[in-house]
Amino acid sequence: GQNIDQPTEMTATEGAIVQINCTYQTSGFNGLFWYQQHAGEAPTFLSYNVLDGLEEKGRFSSFLSRSKGYSYLLLKELQMKDSASYLCARRDTDKLIFGTGTRLQVFP
Amino acid sequence: DSGVTQTPKHLITATGQRVTLRCSPRSGDLSVYWYQQSLDQGLQFLIQYYNGEERAKGNILERFSAQQFPDLHSELNLSSLELGDSALYFCASSVTRDRGLNTEAFFGQGTRLTVV
Repeated sequence: GQNIDQPTEMTATEGAIVQINCTYQTSGFNGLFWYQQHAGEAPTFLSYNVLDGLEEKGRFSSFLSRSKGYSYLLLKELQMKDSASYLCARRDTDKLIFGTGTRLQVFP
Repeated sequence: DSGVTQTPKHLITATGQRVTLRCSPRSGDLSVYWYQQSLDQGLQFLIQYYNGEERAKGNILERFSAQQFPDLHSELNLSSLELGDSALYFCASSVTRDRGLNTEAFFGQGTRLTVV
């Protein structure tokens, strides 16, 4: 999806920690977003990074390295309801470009 | 509820037909984005409007067009429909004037278009 790369699928166990990586084209970069999307539903906003470093929000954290064109979303204490697609999106000037998403399956 | 409203929720139509999808952004949001999501695919950016003007264009087919009206609602027109146009069409809106560029986009629930 327009120079954004994420793994297609990941699996994890309830209660575990999972890290979803995203690499992106750095030209025109103006911020990195993570969204969660359950099947057939609208994406919902999870996090936003524009400066390097880690942003923590409860069980979810997101990290950004602008020089490397790299971000990750960290999900802790996984719950069954976290089974969803996780979309990485970069802001290119003032439009959002999404990756194809990582489908995460959480097993009991 | 994101505050973004899309109608209709579902649409079934025949090949060769034309349809119009409608989006009402969140109150105060000036930017509207349209995305297409085919089955098991990612979100494909189609087009963005800001305060009535086209701002950015993605992989939008010539058979598709959009506009944003003075009241900021937007319509996506899809014509000469083909089977491959069957997809979820999402509209998203964001505040770009008062809060600058560093704002997330909020998505509507989408219109599921089925072309038969």
